[in-house]
Amino acid sequence: EVQLVESGGGLVQPGGSLRLSCEASRFTISNFYMSWVRQAPGKGPEWVSIIYSSGRTYYTDSVKGRFTISRDNSKNTLYLEMNSLRVEDTAVYYCARGSFFNGVSYPAWFDPWGQGTLVTVSS
Amino acid sequence: EIVLTQSPATLSLSPGERATLSCRASQSVSSYLAWYQQKPGQAPRLLIYDASNRATGIPARFSGSGSGTDFTLTIDSLEPEDFAVYYCQQRSSWPPLTFGGGTKVEIK
Repeated sequence: EVQLVESGGGLVQPGGSLRLSCEASRFTISNFYMSWVRQAPGKGPEWVSIIYSSGRTYYTDSVKGRFTISRDNSKNTLYLEMNSLRVEDTAVYYCARGSFFNGVSYPAWFDPWGQGTLVTVSS
Repeated sequence: EIVLTQSPATLSLSPGERATLSCRASQSVSSYLAWYQQKPGQAPRLLIYDASNRATGIPARFSGSGSGTDFTLTIDSLEPEDFAVYYCQQRSSWPPLTFGGGTKVEIK
């Protein structure tokens, strides 16, 4: 079974930094589009960033210049480096894979998702 | 940025009834819309992509329809495990990819 396992969340003060990891099993992340999606308490999901199989990256405006998505192919692991954290970055952060149905890749439909890791930014 | 508005916010139904959920986009997204189900403490799960295609393993009681700005997720004959929150998401114009605010389907 394809699996994604996030880690690295925790409590951090405003202005601080954190690095999230997402280890993939039973597929090779470099062959897929991989995203980070976050969900603040009681809110809907919010897409954060995507990395293409080519290595190209995109971000939502609110994290540009502060967050960096990357991957380590040798470890089959996706990362999200988060700097200058703000209270409003508090959320559960999920990694998610672009889906693949009937031989067609859909980079922006997310399936599967990891279980999430909670990031709390508070003084 | 395309804004997705879901209605109603809460739908109170009994098992066996039909659920009809709506998602309206602030501009046309063609058929580039998906639906997700989320249960408490779990990640969202993809149900429908490209407006009307069921993802792998999704039961036939889930169906999606619509195009342009108006979309519907229908759940025929609600099962106990279907009571959850449902989100729509668009990929027509991005970044950013955007999600709706959700509809909670609760037991009446």
